[in-house]
Amino acid sequence: AQSVTQLDSQVPVFEEAPVELRCNYSSSVSVYLFWYVQYPNQGLQLLLKYLSGSTLVKGINGFEAEFNKSQTSFHLRKPSVHISDTAEYFCAVSPQGGSEKLVFGKGTKLTVNP
Amino acid sequence: DAGITQSPRHKVTETGTPVTLRCHQTENHRYMYWYRQDPGHGLRLIHYSYGVKDTDKGEVSDGYSVSRSKTEDFLLTLESATSSQTSVYFCATGPGSNQPQHFGDGTRLSIL
Repeated sequence: AQSVTQLDSQVPVFEEAPVELRCNYSSSVSVYLFWYVQYPNQGLQLLLKYLSGSTLVKGINGFEAEFNKSQTSFHLRKPSVHISDTAEYFCAVSPQGGSEKLVFGKGTKLTVNP
Repeated sequence: DAGITQSPRHKVTETGTPVTLRCHQTENHRYMYWYRQDPGHGLRLIHYSYGVKDTDKGEVSDGYSVSRSKTEDFLLTLESATSSQTSVYFCATGPGSNQPQHFGDGTRLSIL
C-alpha cells in the first residue's frame, strides 16, 4: 500500500517570494507521482507529473518538482509566487504496474499575501 | 476539464433519505472514480470503475454504492444518508496507463 505525507498543512508567503511545498511518500513498489492544484470552489487540476526519466519535472504556471527516490520525496517549488497562486495543493502517488488508483496527501493550503 | 459534468452541484437533504449523484463524461475514458473531500483528510476514494459494469471499492466505501451502465455515466448512491456523509464529492476520469486523472467541479452535499 502507498501513503503520502504533506508536511505542512498551511504555508503563508509574501508575493514574489520563493516557495517549497513538501511531499513524502511511502511505497513498497515504484510509483508515479503527481501534484494537483485546487482553487476555491473548483475541482483539481494537474500541475505536473513524474512518470519516468528526468527527476526534475516542470509543470504549468512556473511550478517544478524534483523526484528524489532515496528520500522518497517529491517537493514542489516555485521561485516567485503570485497572489493568484493562492490555492490548495495536493500530492498524489500511484503504484507502477498496479492499479489505476491515486492515493492523495491531505493537502497544503498556500496563501500568498501582498 | 475533460468534459466531466457532475449533477447536482449542490444538494441539501435529510438523514435517512436516498441520494444519487451523477457523473457524466464525454472523453470516453475507461476509468471513473468517486472521491469525497473533507477538511484535514484530503481526497479519499469511495469507489471506482474500470469499465462498464466493472466496479470496485475504495478506501471509504461503507454506506455507498455505484453503478456504471454506460461508459459515460457513473452514479454514486447513498442508500440512506447520514450526517457523516456531508461532504464535497468529486468525480474523476482517466484513460488508464497511469495517465493523470481529470476532475469534475464537485457536488456539495449537506445532510441534516
